[in-house]
Amino acid sequence: GAGVSQTPSNKVTEKGKYVELRCDPISGHTALYWYRQSLGQGPEFLIYFQGTGAADDSGLPNDRFFAVRPEGSVSTLKIQRTERGDSAVYLCASSAGQGVIETQYFGPGTRLLVL
Amino acid sequence: AQTVTQSQPEMSVQEAETVTLSCTYDTSESDYYLFWYKQPPSRQMILVIRQEAYKQQNATENRFSVNFQKAAKSFSLKISDSQLGDAAMYFCAYRNTLENTPLVFGKGTRLSVIA
Repeated sequence: GAGVSQTPSNKVTEKGKYVELRCDPISGHTALYWYRQSLGQGPEFLIYFQGTGAADDSGLPNDRFFAVRPEGSVSTLKIQRTERGDSAVYLCASSAGQGVIETQYFGPGTRLLVL
Repeated sequence: AQTVTQSQPEMSVQEAETVTLSCTYDTSESDYYLFWYKQPPSRQMILVIRQEAYKQQNATENRFSVNFQKAAKSFSLKISDSQLGDAAMYFCAYRNTLENTPLVFGKGTRLSVIA
């Protein structure tokens, strides 16, 4: 596609429910990042994929969070047993993965609200 | 760990005037990259300008320029001839030189442009 897309744009769920957030990166981009942006804060890193594998998941806050990228393109961020503190905008970014100074291109994010 | 500080939660500027947004960072590395991203209400992060730490010359992109002071660990953004479309959140971000590493963001500065 022309840019990074994320679905859904907004998601409202109840505490304790399971949610999946989808990211469709720019075609051909091998590197994919997930960030979380809480209200009034800058984005914080969650996880990074190079191809199909999670190269760095050090930013995931706990084991309720999990992400996959089975075919090296679309990625899904999965949150189990959601808590009110999970409410945030979840941003996805992709880059060509070649060269050190590669630019990360961001999607519009998914706003998650846990009631 | 690297940190990025933006000490101005909000700034305003008259249309056609110039405004400077401040950013300081902390790192023990000698080589790294610095970025300014713009986030309009659409939530999509847009790269405004970037600077490689090994370059002494300040980066410029049309109306946007930076004042990079490596010894002071300061990286301010100057917007000249401000336009209504410049109104947005602006985030300063740091990245080390390893390939495909995540960005570290500040908390952002909300810029308003007054007609």
